[in-house]
Amino acid sequence: DQQVKQNSPSLSVQEGRISILNCDYTNSMFDYFLWYKKYPAEGPTFLISISSIKDKNEDGRFTVFLNKSAKHLSLHIVPSQPGDSAVYFCAASYSGTYKYIFGTGTRLKVLA
Amino acid sequence: NAGVTQTPKFQVLKTGQSMTLQCAQDMNHEYMSWYRQDPGMGLRLIHYSVGAGITDQGEVPNGYNVSRSTTEDFPLRLLSAAPSQTSVYFCASSYSSGNQPQHFGDGTRLSIL
Repeated sequence: DQQVKQNSPSLSVQEGRISILNCDYTNSMFDYFLWYKKYPAEGPTFLISISSIKDKNEDGRFTVFLNKSAKHLSLHIVPSQPGDSAVYFCAASYSGTYKYIFGTGTRLKVLA
Repeated sequence: NAGVTQTPKFQVLKTGQSMTLQCAQDMNHEYMSWYRQDPGMGLRLIHYSVGAGITDQGEVPNGYNVSRSTTEDFPLRLLSAAPSQTSVYFCASSYSSGNQPQHFGDGTRLSIL
């Protein structure tokens, strides 16, 4: 039972355009969501997070949107750069559990 | 600051052997955890700890043991390695107060023959 799903295994985008990565979840108890970026042979690095009391959080070129009614979050990268090429994981948790559930990841390729 | 350090980076074992994957962090984080990453499966939580002397099971704990005797270290033990435990293992740590992002090590790639 996959509680956090990333249905697109891969995505290719032209440099300078917007990249949109999607994530769906099934557990309505989740109240904290994160995005991580992972390069080959390295561990995931934290990118941006959002609490369920918000519907948007911005950090530079990265914006995360949360739609609680649809149980959907998305990561927007504008403008996309070749260095953004990596695997992106979304993750979710709920207060007091210390358990983070990860999606399967989306491989983003930004074409120069 | 070294962050989260995992050793070894690579290891090949034979079925039935035991070994310990080491994880150390120097950020004084209370929370530490172990994940495995398999193709098409994302990262799955094996065990976690919210402080010295406290551990709990994650999604896939069978075949693995952990202990937390100090804040800094959180070793993962494979008791009797099986080919199904071939994977990349990541250790992570964070502060435990409120919602906190985790810091990950660079992983240990483990092959069981």
